[in-house]
Amino acid sequence: EAGVTQFPSHSVIEKGQTVTLRCDPISGHDNLYWYRRVMGKEIKFLLHFVKESKQDESGMPNNRFLAERTGGTYSTLKVQPAELEDSGVYFCASSQVVQEREAFFGQGTRLTVV
Amino acid sequence: DAKTTQPNSMESNEEEPVHLPCNHSTISGTDYIHWYRQLPSQGPEYVIHGLTSNVNNRMASLAIAEDRKSSTLILHRATLRDAAVYYCIRPSYSGAGSYQLTFGKGTKLSVIP
Repeated sequence: EAGVTQFPSHSVIEKGQTVTLRCDPISGHDNLYWYRRVMGKEIKFLLHFVKESKQDESGMPNNRFLAERTGGTYSTLKVQPAELEDSGVYFCASSQVVQEREAFFGQGTRLTVV
Repeated sequence: DAKTTQPNSMESNEEEPVHLPCNHSTISGTDYIHWYRQLPSQGPEYVIHGLTSNVNNRMASLAIAEDRKSSTLILHRATLRDAAVYYCIRPSYSGAGSYQLTFGKGTKLSVIP
């Protein structure tokens, strides 16, 4: 069974540019989550999709971040325009029901804004 | 609010058992306890989860106190590959039957050869 896949694994962009991160969840998982870890800080929740709908986006830092989930399959997280403080590792996870079942995480996308 | 309390760090000798504690004194009767770990430069990895009874899988065992206010993750024989940050998590209800994981600081486990 394929795991959660994230693209790209690394991205280096200049301040003010746009970057789009992609997450392919495990097939059949309705729940998709985005998290971010800034260097030296804890892993922070960004948002949660159930199928194509945003269930909880309370962790999104500001309106420069836009997440979509097309047809309840893969998801993208766009940062536009990127700022220096957006640097970090962005993780995606998917799950059937995270309370009774486990969540599966991707390897992350390391974003560096210079 | 991670709703759990863990020691910041622990050490173990290789091939020795490791007991990682977690306090969750405000847990409700329907809250599961999940454990994840993050190895260096990798995404978080599921370890084990449980509700009331002790649980075993190929990676670890989870011992849940009778009052459910604490639990212990048990690695039966620590290997160097087990060096990671271990997170004890109570999934948070986010509405409409959905839950999310909230990560705290976790316990950084060091394994000494």
